[in-house]
Amino acid sequence: GAGVSQSPSNKVTEKGKDVELRCDPISGHTALYWYRQSLGQGLEFLIYFQGNSAPDKSGLPSDRFSAERTGGSVSTLTIQRTQQEDSAVYLCASSSPGVGSTYGYTFGSGTRLTVV
Amino acid sequence: SQKIEQNSEALNIQEGKTATLTCNYTNYSPAYLQWYRQDPGRGPVFLLLIRENEKEKRKERLKVTFDTTLKQSLFHITASQPADSATYLCALERTGGFKTIFGAGTRLFVKA
Repeated sequence: GAGVSQSPSNKVTEKGKDVELRCDPISGHTALYWYRQSLGQGLEFLIYFQGNSAPDKSGLPSDRFSAERTGGSVSTLTIQRTQQEDSAVYLCASSSPGVGSTYGYTFGSGTRLTVV
Repeated sequence: SQKIEQNSEALNIQEGKTATLTCNYTNYSPAYLQWYRQDPGRGPVFLLLIRENEKEKRKERLKVTFDTTLKQSLFHITASQPADSATYLCALERTGGFKTIFGAGTRLFVKA
């Protein structure tokens, strides 16, 4: 596609339920990032996929969070047993091969997650 | 720990003036420093990238400087316009596939 697509754009869920957030990166982009942004805050790194390498999961806040990237393309971020503090905007970004940041990252519009 | 600092207070300037935003960092040796613009309800949009061996980069009305000794980048918007009002984020990246870290951003308001 022309840009990074994220779905759903908004998600309201009850505390304790599991949610799945989807990211469809730009075709051909080998690097994919997930970030979280709370109201008025900066971007908090969650996880990074680069090609076929093992992902950098160092930013995942707890074992309730997991992510996978199938076929080097679409990625799914899963949050199990959601808590109210998980409420935030979850942003996905992808970048082109080689020097990943030469042209910067292309972000999706995010998924706004609200846990009630 | 690695830290990026941007002015948390909003910057208010008059249309036509130059806006200058600051990004300071500690405990990090970035190969690249990037600036992004973020509008409410949208994801960040890439503006400029500057490498560690570059002192200055320009793009239209935008200018970025990078001082690796001071560990600081300055982002300038000349002849500012109300449409430039947004939050501006700086981001740091090392080579080798390391994660990119972002500052919290500075909100810019340009008054007509």
